Amino acid sequence: ETGVTQTPRHLVMGMTNKKSLKCEQHLGHNAMYWYKQSAKKPLELMFVYSLEERVENNSVPSRFSPECPNSSHLFLHLHTLQPEDSALYLCASSQATGPYEQYFGPGTRLTVT
Amino acid sequence: AQSVTQLGSHVSVSEGALVLLRCNYSSSVPPYLFWYVQYPNQGLQLLLKYTSAATLVKGINGFEAEFKKSETSFHLTKPSAHMSDAAEYFCAVSAGMEYGNKLVFGAGTILRVKS
Repeated sequence: ETGVTQTPRHLVMGMTNKKSLKCEQHLGHNAMYWYKQSAKKPLELMFVYSLEERVENNSVPSRFSPECPNSSHLFLHLHTLQPEDSALYLCASSQATGPYEQYFGPGTRLTVT
Repeated sequence: AQSVTQLGSHVSVSEGALVLLRCNYSSSVPPYLFWYVQYPNQGLQLLLKYTSAATLVKGINGFEAEFKKSETSFHLTKPSAHMSDAAEYFCAVSAGMEYGNKLVFGAGTILRVKS
């Protein structure tokens, strides 16, 4: 595997389900990010991790819970979501936090029913 | 706060024609600027970046962008459009240390290439 991978690519879940999104980067980077991309809205930064420590949480509802067990893996745990949470969730990584280019995974298309 | 404005949510060009996608930024410090492309059902891919070296930056797939400080612009161009260029393009600016150096993205421009 190369670059940034995300699984699953598609996910349909009910509002009472619990699921997790997984991201893995194979680039040796120290920073990882979760973004939400909704139709007709700008890309929204959700969480930032630097060296496995969360450094930013952009007022994201608690039904989204991130986890970064090591610098290569990032998870987004989901529970009791709402239909408006349906979106493409993108993971990205960069050399460090700062003015560095970010490398994105292909995303997970989430549909909440 | 830093911000990015992409003029035109949709741009349509004929195959072989010049591509021009506009991006204006606001920044209180010298910016780092990026252009990304997103194909359907895929993540964002870096096209090019400006990091205060040469003002004309060449990227992948024949794209280039010119940093113009006086105009606070970083427009993306390609001399001759190809059908495979049809995608959504995002301009982004690094927000500076006081904002954690995170990237701030524009709303995106969808490029359509007509045969």
